[in-house]
Amino acid sequence: DQQVKQNSPSLSVQEGRISILNCDYTNSMFDYFLWYKKYPAEGPTFLISISSIKDKNEDGRFTVFLNKSAKHLSLHIVPSQPGDSAVYFCAATRRGSQGNLIFGKGTKLSVKP
Amino acid sequence: DTGVSQNPRHKITKRGQNVTFRCDPISEHNRLYWYRQTLGQGPEFLTYFQNEAQLEKSRLLSDRFSAERPKGSFSTLEIQRTEQGDSAMYLCASSPTSEKLFFGSGTQLSVL
Repeated sequence: DQQVKQNSPSLSVQEGRISILNCDYTNSMFDYFLWYKKYPAEGPTFLISISSIKDKNEDGRFTVFLNKSAKHLSLHIVPSQPGDSAVYFCAATRRGSQGNLIFGKGTKLSVKP
Repeated sequence: DTGVSQNPRHKITKRGQNVTFRCDPISEHNRLYWYRQTLGQGPEFLTYFQNEAQLEKSRLLSDRFSAERPKGSFSTLEIQRTEQGDSAMYLCASSPTSEKLFFGSGTQLSVL
């Protein structure tokens, strides 16, 4: 049973437009959420995170929104750039769980020039 | 480069052979993790060390898998009697805290 779900395997957007990647979770004990970006043949790279006490966290072009009642989070990238093309993984954990991150299956983002 | 380093990058082996992977974490990080990623899936947690102590192991880590971190610095992951189902990317990560993990580039294992 998947605790973290990314229901869109892929997403294609035009350069300069907004990319919205979605993630749903089922475990209400999760209280910390992260987004990682992965290029082929490389390990995942941390992008942005959010604690359950917040509903928004922003870092440059990247914003993560958390809706606890819906158990849903989203990553907004604006404006999207071709270099953003990668697989994006949503991950969740419970603080105090010693770093056992539960990952979704990822969404492959393609940003077209 | 002071990131997480993993060796080898690729390993091809025959079924039944033993393999060992090495991970060198970021030097000031006392937490070290092993994850496994198969095609089309996200990374899955295998095990976690704080310094030299192995504090948590996933049920995915069968008896054929063993991980060590003898001096609290580098770590090794050994798979004995490899099976085709062990083919995956093995990722090592380190962290100064328990939430934000820094991953290496992984070791891609192919079992023929």
